[in-house]
Amino acid sequence: KAGVTQTPRYLIKTRGQQVTLSCSPISGHRSVSWYQQTPGQGLQFLFEYFSETQRNKGNFPGRFSGRQFSNSRSEMNVSTLELGDSALYLCASSLETGAKNIQYFGAGTRLSVL
Amino acid sequence: GDSVTQMEGPVTLSEEAFLTINCTYTATGYPSLFWYVQYPGEGLQLLLKATKADDKGSNKGFEATYRKETTSFHLEKGSVQVSDSAVYFCALTNQAGTALIFGKGTTLSVSS
Repeated sequence: KAGVTQTPRYLIKTRGQQVTLSCSPISGHRSVSWYQQTPGQGLQFLFEYFSETQRNKGNFPGRFSGRQFSNSRSEMNVSTLELGDSALYLCASSLETGAKNIQYFGAGTRLSVL
Repeated sequence: GDSVTQMEGPVTLSEEAFLTINCTYTATGYPSLFWYVQYPGEGLQLLLKATKADDKGSNKGFEATYRKETTSFHLEKGSVQVSDSAVYFCALTNQAGTALIFGKGTTLSVSS
């Protein structure tokens, strides 16, 4: 079974631009979560989608948004990029939502903002 | 709010040494607890989990026990290998079960 696939693996953008990251979950998984990883702040939760509905959102500005499609694939978008948005963005999928469900992570998209 | 505290690294050990990485948590309710591992240039891999008090998670020689009375989930391995060198993250689920809350991570370096 294929794992969680994130594309692209690397991105370089300049301040003020916008970016879209893509995540394909494990087949059959309906929940997709996004996390930001930086050296200073560590791993922080961005948002979770289940059956195309955002169920939870972390403490990030409105420039960060996401969506989930009917096939469970998800995208996240960051508008008006800032230098501080440089990070590894990780997507995770799980069968269902809820505390006992294991989240499986992709390899991430490394975003560099110049 | 919910949080996870794990020991600062880096932890440097010789091959076959005993490993302990401390993890304590603050949470409302009864979260599930996890250890994830991240190898250089890769995403996170689940190492082990425990979903209720006194559960012991184990995998690849690593173990951790969910201790509600001390709010801890310490990671242990009896004999580390060079291939265990990585960053280890302790995590818990939030009350709604919709997000993982991570510790800062502990870098382990094992030399032969």
